[in-house]
Amino acid sequence: KAGVTQTPRYLIKTRGQQVTLSCSPISGHRSVSWYQQTPGQGLQFLFEYFSETQRNKGNFPGRFSGRQFSNSRSEMNVSTLELGDSALYLCASSSRTDMNTEAFFGQGTRLTVV
Amino acid sequence: DQQVKQNSPSLSVQEGRISILNCDYTNSMFDYFLWYKKYPAEGPTFLISISSIKDKNEDGRFTVFLNKSAKHLSLHIVPSQPGDSAVYFCAASVGYGNKLVFGAGTILRVKS
Repeated sequence: KAGVTQTPRYLIKTRGQQVTLSCSPISGHRSVSWYQQTPGQGLQFLFEYFSETQRNKGNFPGRFSGRQFSNSRSEMNVSTLELGDSALYLCASSSRTDMNTEAFFGQGTRLTVV
Repeated sequence: DQQVKQNSPSLSVQEGRISILNCDYTNSMFDYFLWYKKYPAEGPTFLISISSIKDKNEDGRFTVFLNKSAKHLSLHIVPSQPGDSAVYFCAASVGYGNKLVFGAGTILRVKS
């Protein structure tokens, strides 16, 4: 069974640009969450999608947005990039919808903003 | 406001001995707790979880203990192996959904 796949693995962007990251969850998983990891803030929750609807949202500015497609694949978008957006962006998928369960992570996308 | 705390930035253990990683939380609404292992430039790998209705869960060499009154959980690895060397994250969530709150992580070094 294939794991969570994130593309691209590495990305370099310039301040002010926008970026789109992609995540394909484990087959059959309908919940997709996004996290940002930085040295200063650690792992922080961005948002969670289930059945194409945002179910939870973390404390990030509106420049960070996401969506989920009918096949459960998800994308996150960051507009007007800032230097501080440089981070490892992680996607996680899980199977259950009505109770907590473990989330399985992809390898992440390393975004560098210059 | 750090709701999940891992107060030990690092831990060094001899191969074959027990590794004990600790985690404290402040939010009494957390009802599900997980441990992840992470290597640099990779995503976290799920290790073991525990629901708040339990106080212990075992999976092979890994055991997680939950003390709700103390708002404390710990991960025991027995016996420790050099391949266990990694960063270990404690995470917690509340109710419905998968919004995980992570601790800062503990670097475990297992010496052979």
